[in-house]
This record gives sequence, C-alpha cells and structure tokens, in this order.
Amino acid sequence: DVKVTQSSRYLVKRTGEKVFLECVQDMDHENMFWYRQDPGLGLRLIYFSYDVKMKEKGDIPEGYSVSREKKERFSLILESASTNQTSMYLCASSFGRLTSGANVLTFGAGSRLTVL
Amino acid sequence: GDSVTQMEGPVTLSEEAFLTINCTYTATGYPSLFWYVQYPGEGLQLLLKATKADDKGSNKGFEATYRKETTSFHLEKGSVQVSDSAVYFCALVPRDSSYKLIFGSGTRLLVRP
Repeated sequence: DVKVTQSSRYLVKRTGEKVFLECVQDMDHENMFWYRQDPGLGLRLIYFSYDVKMKEKGDIPEGYSVSREKKERFSLILESASTNQTSMYLCASSFGRLTSGANVLTFGAGSRLTVL
Repeated sequence: GDSVTQMEGPVTLSEEAFLTINCTYTATGYPSLFWYVQYPGEGLQLLLKATKADDKGSNKGFEATYRKETTSFHLEKGSVQVSDSAVYFCALVPRDSSYKLIFGSGTRLLVRP
C-alpha cells in the first residue's frame, strides 16, 4: 500500500515563527498536494506539485510556500505563522491525472498546527 | 466555479439503520465523483468513486450513483455499524483540471449501539 507520512502530528508555534511541515510518500507518485482542513469548510487546496521542482497554486496559497526538491518529499512552509493558520494540514499524493478515475489521492494522517 | 454541497451534520443513527448522506455538485461538463471517509485520528481514504453518468460506485456496503439529471451523488448504506462512525466527504475532479480534487464540507456520522 502507498504510504504518505507526515513528520509531525501536532505542532504548537508562536506568531511570526517560520514553520515547516514535511511530507514523504514511498510509492514514486508524481503528484503531491497540501490541503488545509477546517470545520465547516471541508478541505481546501493550498498548493500542489506534479513534478520535482514544479508547483502550482491551489485555492488558498496566500501565506504559504512549498518546496519539492525530491520526488518523494513535499514541504509546506509558513514563512511567518499567524493565528488564522491554526488548522489541520493534510498531505496527499497520486499517480497520474485524477480524471482517469483509476488514480486517486492517498492521504497522510495530518498535522495539527496551533499558532499562539 | 465548480463546487460540492453536502448535507450538514452531524447525522446520528442507531446501529442497523439506513443511511443517506446527500451530495450535489455544480460543474462544467461531467466531472469524476468520489466519496472519501475520515476515521477519527486518521487521514482521508477513498471509499468509492464514479467517473461517468449512471455509474454506481460501491465499497464496504456503501453505494452511490452518479445522477447527471439531478447533479447528485448521494451516499447510501442499508445497515450502518458503530464502526462506520466517521466524517464523509463528497468530492469531484473537474474535467478541465486533472489535478484538483474539490471537496464538500464533510458530514459527520455518529452511529450509536
């Protein structure tokens, strides 16, 4: 089975700190994604990457950046954390285009970030 | 833009009751449709999917039929179990954006013994 591992399950940071959320997948998937999950809002796409060093903005990229130096690793960066970035962050990966129906997202367990 | 609307939760049922979670969508063309489930403390996992009109996705006793006439993809199960307690997300992949999965807000299901 594909495994997507998020390095931190729980983090507490202070306003203004730089925060790194790390995600690693072990099945050679081309595509990787960062979502944010908030009650009543579902999941919203922050950034995704379809290849090494490639990235695309999702629906809510403001305040975030990403890095994909290696195929298996996709990092989400909060340059200066703010309280409104307190949330659950979910990483996911997939092989190929999602419209094929054969390719689906595989998610990590999530990283719950609290910004004080 | 494309969007997914789910019924608000929580939905509370007794074990062996019938479950329906409503999902409707707005999209250009015919998107692929999915149900994902999130068990407590875990990430999301795919429950079932349908890629064209009239397709029925099924898994673990859950079913959903892609209805283009009503732009719906309602999730059903004939007899729920306590272990089905989770948050259920309806989602679509637009035809013009192969990499984006658009989610509904999620519906929490609580099944009581």
